[in-house]
This record gives sequence, structure tokens and C-alpha cells, in this order.
Amino acid sequence: AQSVTQLDSQVPVFEEAPVELRCNYSSSVSVYLFWYVQYPNQGLQLLLKYLSGSTLVKGINGFEAEFNKSQTSFHLRKPSVHISDTAEYFCAVSDRGTSYDKVIFGPGTSLSVIP
Amino acid sequence: NAGVTQTPKFRVLKTGQSMTLLCAQDMNHEYMYWYRQDPGMGLRLIHYSVGEGTTAKGEVPDGYNVSRLKKQNFLLGLESAAPSQTSVYFCASSLGGPYNEQFFGPGTRLTVL
Repeated sequence: AQSVTQLDSQVPVFEEAPVELRCNYSSSVSVYLFWYVQYPNQGLQLLLKYLSGSTLVKGINGFEAEFNKSQTSFHLRKPSVHISDTAEYFCAVSDRGTSYDKVIFGPGTSLSVIP
Repeated sequence: NAGVTQTPKFRVLKTGQSMTLLCAQDMNHEYMYWYRQDPGMGLRLIHYSVGEGTTAKGEVPDGYNVSRLKKQNFLLGLESAAPSQTSVYFCASSLGGPYNEQFFGPGTRLTVL
């Protein structure tokens, strides 16, 4: 069965510092990978996704993520964070071979950017 | 385009009461979903629909029912609310397929006393 682990429940970081949010998944088949962001009191919106090809994926707002198949990881990075990046970040995975698009979400990482 | 909208935004129920949450999307998406979000648990799928007139159970379907009479609407019902159903409920829609993103509504915060 699929599962998604986000080891850090909370990540505080100073403004303009770099940040990495970790995501590991387990699956017996090939997967698609996603990062979603949830700003306070809003729904989730897509940051980026990995479908195939280059393992380095660039998303909105300067975020990028790298797919590492051997380590079953999909860590999210940003070289310099802003106050506006304060939000909850969710990693998600779906099986390539499923007949429907069930997506498994991780528990989320709360990023707090400190001025 | 409004995207995905949810009604109501907040609701307080007493144990045993019933209610219906409405989700509407204007993107002509085939797939629609209902999730609940609880602290430290991420999003868990309650029910989903792959097209008008179809519904299917997700990860945590007990205590909920759904209907998809029109393609643009997906209703979530609680027949007899319990305190364990206190949560934030999100509706989402997508074009379908495991590679397409889901578009989320703003959520409904439900408290069951």
C-alpha cells in the first residue's frame, strides 16, 4: 500500500534563508508525485508535480523539487524564502497504474517564515 | 471562473443532527472528491465520483453519504452527526487520471457538539 511521510511537522526559518521540506513515499509501483500548498484559511493549490523526465521539477513561487527514485524521496526546496511562503505544505503520491486517480496525501509540514 | 466553491463555510451541529455540504465546480471536470482534514493526518478521502451519477467510497466513508446528480455539483451528507466528524471538509475536482492536479475549494469548518 502507498504511504507518504513528511518527517518534519513544523519548520521555522528566517526570511531570505533557504529551506528544504522532506517527503518520502512507499509504493510497489511507479508513481506520480505532487506538492501542494495551503495558505491560512484556504484550500490546497498545486505547487509542482513530477510525471516523468527530468528529476528536477520547477514550480510556482520559486519552489523546486527533486525526485530520487532510489531513495523514494521528493524533497521540496527554495533558495530564499519570503514571509508570504508561510503556509502548510503537503506532499502527495498517486500510482501510475491505477484505473482511478486516488491521491495519497502526507500529513503536512507547517512552514513558518520569521522576519 | 469561480473554480470550486463550497457551501457553507462554517457550521455547528449538535450530535445526531443532519446536514448537507454542497460543492460546485465550473471547470467541467469529470472527477470530484470529498476530503476531511484533521491535524497531523493530512487529507483523507471520504468519497469520490468519476462522473455524473456515479459515486465511490474512499478511505473513510463511514457516517457519510454523497450524491452527484449534476456534473457540476457533489453533495456530502451527514445523516447523524457525531463529535468524531468535527473536521475541516474540502471538496476538489479534476479532469481525471492519476497525473492531473486536483483543484480545491476553500473548505467547510464543521463542529459537532
